[in-house]
Amino acid sequence: GDSVTQMEGPVTLSEEAFLTINCTYTATGYPSLFWYVQYPGEGLQLLLKATKADDKGSNKGFEATYRKETTSFHLEKGSVQVSDSAVYFCALGNTGFQKLVFGTGTRLLVSP
Amino acid sequence: NAGVTQTPKFQVLKTGQSMTLQCAQDMNHEYMSWYRQDPGMGLRLIHYSVGAGITDQGEVPNGYNVSRSTTEDFPLRLLSAAPSQTSVYFCASGQYTGELFFGEGSRLTVL
Repeated sequence: GDSVTQMEGPVTLSEEAFLTINCTYTATGYPSLFWYVQYPGEGLQLLLKATKADDKGSNKGFEATYRKETTSFHLEKGSVQVSDSAVYFCALGNTGFQKLVFGTGTRLLVSP
Repeated sequence: NAGVTQTPKFQVLKTGQSMTLQCAQDMNHEYMSWYRQDPGMGLRLIHYSVGAGITDQGEVPNGYNVSRSTTEDFPLRLLSAAPSQTSVYFCASGQYTGELFFGEGSRLTVL
């Protein structure tokens, strides 16, 4: 079945450092790919998405490119802030609705 | 601007008790779902619904029951609580764009 693999955390960075969180997937067909973010004490919210190969999703300085040849959707940000501290989930959707399959999440901790 | 509302936020049950987690959305979304979040396991789909009167099982449906009598509401029932059901539960809704809108979660402890 479909699955998503994320790098384990926590990822600990200093403010203004470069961020990469790796995500790879296994799926049949042509899934859509998503990054969701969960701030402490809150539910998940969509950060960015890409619906086909070579698409780049971007939002709030975060970017991820849908790489079909490497089945990857790595999340990047050039300069993280303390307010980016959260848990980041990679997910894929491969049906007509929103039966998303989530990775295990990667916790990001940014210190001043 | 309510979005997805879950109640209760916290609940403690004893083994064998039953309860219902409530979920309501005000965005007229056809799709609603319940996930559980456990450490090291991410989010796992319990049940989902693609419209009023239509429900289906997700990845981990055992021990849970759902119904969808209206577009707005999608309650999750625990029939006989077990310690393995200790978790954080999230309700989510969406349309056909792939974006899900999540509630703030319900933390359940089963003793």
